Amino acid sequence: EVVLTQSPGTLSLSPGERATLSCRADQNLFSNYLAWYQQKPGRAPSLLIYGASSRATGIPDRFSGSGSGTDFTLTISRLEPEDFAVYYCQYYGSFGQGTKLEIE
Amino acid sequence: QVQLQEAGPGLVKPSETLSLTCTVSGGSISSTNYFWAWIRQPPGKGPEWIGSINYRGTKFYRSSLESRVTISVDTSKNQFSLRLKSMTTADTSVYYCGRLDVVTAGSLFDSWGQGTLVTVSS
Repeated sequence: EVVLTQSPGTLSLSPGERATLSCRADQNLFSNYLAWYQQKPGRAPSLLIYGASSRATGIPDRFSGSGSGTDFTLTISRLEPEDFAVYYCQYYGSFGQGTKLEIE
Repeated sequence: QVQLQEAGPGLVKPSETLSLTCTVSGGSISSTNYFWAWIRQPPGKGPEWIGSINYRGTKFYRSSLESRVTISVDTSKNQFSLRLKSMTTADTSVYYCGRLDVVTAGSLFDSWGQGTLVTVSS
């Protein structure tokens, strides 16, 4: 089972700023099949990014994913108020522990 | 657009068996592109995949739960189910059912139910 470690645990930023979230795997990920999810309080996670860098349907282009091998990044170019949430990375049956993006 | 809805008890006693059912609407559970999954999320923690099944009954379980888990599918009802036996307080979680896209890029949980909180307590 792949172990995914996300950092930081909490990120405090203001609307309009740029957010950079990290996900590190303990082994190389096959074909970079890493996905990112957003979860808001009381809601199920929803798919943002798949294949490390492809946006899911309806996801705005301020969200971007990058990385390969063991190191992956989710970037939100200019934070909107609705982007403050918890973000998880996922590879097959493994999820990271999450990064909480909060308003500073 | 596919929708999923979990159903089952919100409270289970220690040592008992949890039974949950997920009803799929707006799409067929018999699609070859998908598996159907159970995922749980303990309060304040990240999601944890429990297991998956396709319409043919091919199953995969999380290794740490394999001895206690059974997932089944009923294509006539467009439903799939979870049984988790010997429940303990550590199994208290929000339980989600979801659709797993196994074609696009690895395994993607592209649709989720709203989730149901299951508390283990006497």
